[in-house]
Amino acid sequence: DVKVTQSSRYLVKRTGEKVFLECVQDMDHENMFWYRQDPGLGLRLIYFSYDVKMKEKGDIPEGYSVSREKKERFSLILESASTNQTSMYLCASSLGTAGEQFFGPGTRLTVL
Amino acid sequence: ILNVEQSPQSLHVQEGDSTNFTCSFPSSNFYALHWYRWETAKSPEALFVMTLNGDEKKKGRISATLNTKEGYSYLYIKGSQPEDSATYLCALNTDKLIFGTGTRLQVFP
Repeated sequence: DVKVTQSSRYLVKRTGEKVFLECVQDMDHENMFWYRQDPGLGLRLIYFSYDVKMKEKGDIPEGYSVSREKKERFSLILESASTNQTSMYLCASSLGTAGEQFFGPGTRLTVL
Repeated sequence: ILNVEQSPQSLHVQEGDSTNFTCSFPSSNFYALHWYRWETAKSPEALFVMTLNGDEKKKGRISATLNTKEGYSYLYIKGSQPEDSATYLCALNTDKLIFGTGTRLQVFP
């Protein structure tokens, strides 16, 4: 079974803090994704990566950056957290472009 | 940005009722349409990946159809059970997934 894990289920940070959200997958997938989910808006793509050290902006990249130094790990970075980044963050991975995506359990981030 | 719409936004049904909801999209230019089920406090999990016009998929009491020409997919649940309560997401795969806002289903015993 594919397993996607995220470093924290719940996280509370203060405005201006630097925040790291980590995601690890164990199935050697090339593609990894970061989404946020907000009520009434569905899942929105922040960033994705097709390979190590490669990254592509999704639909809402502002205020975020990512890092993919190893194939299995994809990190989402909030350089200076703001209250409008309070959200549920989901990581996913997939084998191919049109393939099924496998999701982690999510991190609920609250920025005070 | 391509818009994927799901309706209804939420649905409350009694145990044993059958139900269905819709995913609609404007384009036939995509690799696949995905259905996911997302239970509270769990990861979204894939139900179906549909690629061809007229595709029909079934898993137990849940089935789905795809009409690419008219731009919609239906998800059916026969004889709903409380454990079917979840948010059902559809997503269009155009080289990345574009998600609808989901249909939140609650099944009451």
